[in-house]
Amino acid sequence: TQLLEQSPQFLSIQEGENLTVYCNSSSVFSSLQWYRQEPGEGPVLLVTVVTGGEVKKLKRLTFQFGDARKDSSLHITAAQPGDTGLYLCAGATSNTGKLIFGQGTTLQVKP
Amino acid sequence: NAGVTQTPKFQVLKTGQSMTLQCAQDMNHNSMYWYRQDPGMGLRLIYYSASEGTTDKGEVPNGYNVSRLNKREFSLRLESAAPSQTSVYFCASGGWVQETQYFGPGTRLLVL
Repeated sequence: TQLLEQSPQFLSIQEGENLTVYCNSSSVFSSLQWYRQEPGEGPVLLVTVVTGGEVKKLKRLTFQFGDARKDSSLHITAAQPGDTGLYLCAGATSNTGKLIFGQGTTLQVKP
Repeated sequence: NAGVTQTPKFQVLKTGQSMTLQCAQDMNHNSMYWYRQDPGMGLRLIYYSASEGTTDKGEVPNGYNVSRLNKREFSLRLESAAPSQTSVYFCASGGWVQETQYFGPGTRLLVL
């Protein structure tokens, strides 16, 4: 069974701080996606990383896919209250549409 | 475009009752999915449909059945609800091989 372990599960920080969320597995994934979910809504895709070692930036968010395609990280610089939400990583297996989701990281950014 | 729509938004059932959760997408996607979300467990795949006319089990299929009615619609049925099926259910479409999955707003189900 493929598993994705996300850490930390909860994070409460002050506006302006930096943070990193980790997503780790013992399995290799063909790609890894990061989603953000607001309360009462479905997840929305932030980014997909495909190549080992790949780094993608989305404004203040930086996503990295591990060289071995087993892990990923999300780094937020100068967090803002609008970044508050549940962040989910999801790994895709080769040639299928199935995603394996991590448990999620609940981020609270206080003004 | 409405994207992915789900009905109902909220439902309370008694143990043993049955119900069907409806999902429709207007993005012409071939693949559709049903997930459940429980606290601390992320999203777990119940069933998926890679294309019209096909369905396959996901990680937690027991107690559920699905029907891919046509390309737009994918329903999830609970034949005899149990308290362990209390959860938030999400339908998604798209997402085949690295594509984006688009999620509906969810159905909150409470089984007493």
